[in-house]
Amino acid sequence: GAGVSQTPSNKVTEKGKYVELRCDPISGHTALYWYRQSLGQGPEFLIYFQGTGAADDSGLPNDRFFAVRPEGSVSTLKIQRTERGDSAMYLCASSPMGGVAGELFFGEGSRLTVL
Amino acid sequence: SQQGEEDPQALSIQEGENATMNCSYKTSINNLQWYRQNSGRGLVHLILIRSNEREKHSGRLRVTLDTSKKSSSLLITASRAADTASYFCATDETGGYNKLIFGAGTRLAVHP
Repeated sequence: GAGVSQTPSNKVTEKGKYVELRCDPISGHTALYWYRQSLGQGPEFLIYFQGTGAADDSGLPNDRFFAVRPEGSVSTLKIQRTERGDSAMYLCASSPMGGVAGELFFGEGSRLTVL
Repeated sequence: SQQGEEDPQALSIQEGENATMNCSYKTSINNLQWYRQNSGRGLVHLILIRSNEREKHSGRLRVTLDTSKKSSSLLITASRAADTASYFCATDETGGYNKLIFGAGTRLAVHP
C-alpha cells in the first residue's frame, strides 16, 4: 500500500538549467495532478491527467513547463530554462476516479530551488 | 488562481480550546474538501462535504457548508499540540474538469 512517491525530494539548480520532477501515483489511480506551492500560499493547480492524456493544462504558467504521463502511471514534470521564480514546492496527487472530484492523495513534494 | 479564501490567516490557541476556520469561495461547486499540511510536507485529506450536505462530522472535526453564502467552516474541538498545521479548503467547480482549487490556508498553532 505505497502512497504517492515523488522524486527528488529536494532539487537545487542554477538559473537556465533543465529540471525533471517525477511522480509515481498510487497503483490503479487514473487521475493525476500537479500543483505548485510557494511559501505561505496554498497549492496552485498546474495540470491534470486522466489516464495518459492531459485533460486540463490551464495552470501551466508558460511554455517552459511541460508534463507527460506516457503509460498512464508515472508522470514527469519538465521545466526548461529555469528561473528563480520557479522556486517552490511541486506537489503531485492522484485519485482513483474521474468525474466529480473526490479525495486527492498527495505525495511529500519536490522542493525546487533555483539559484 | 485561487477559489477559496480562508479566514483567519493565522490562529493561535491553547490545548483543549476549539479552533474554527472559515472558507469562502466564488463559484458553484460539486463538493468542498478540507486538507491539512504539516510544515514542509504533503497535504492530507481530512473531510469532504458535498454541495447537498450542510454538516458533516469526523472524530473531532465538524464541517459546515452554506452554499447560499458560498462559505464553509471547519471546527476542531478539544485541540491538541499535534493539530498544529496549516489547513486548506479546496473546491471542485461545477462543470470543471475535476480539479481542486485551494485557498491560501489558515496556519493553526496549538500551544501546550
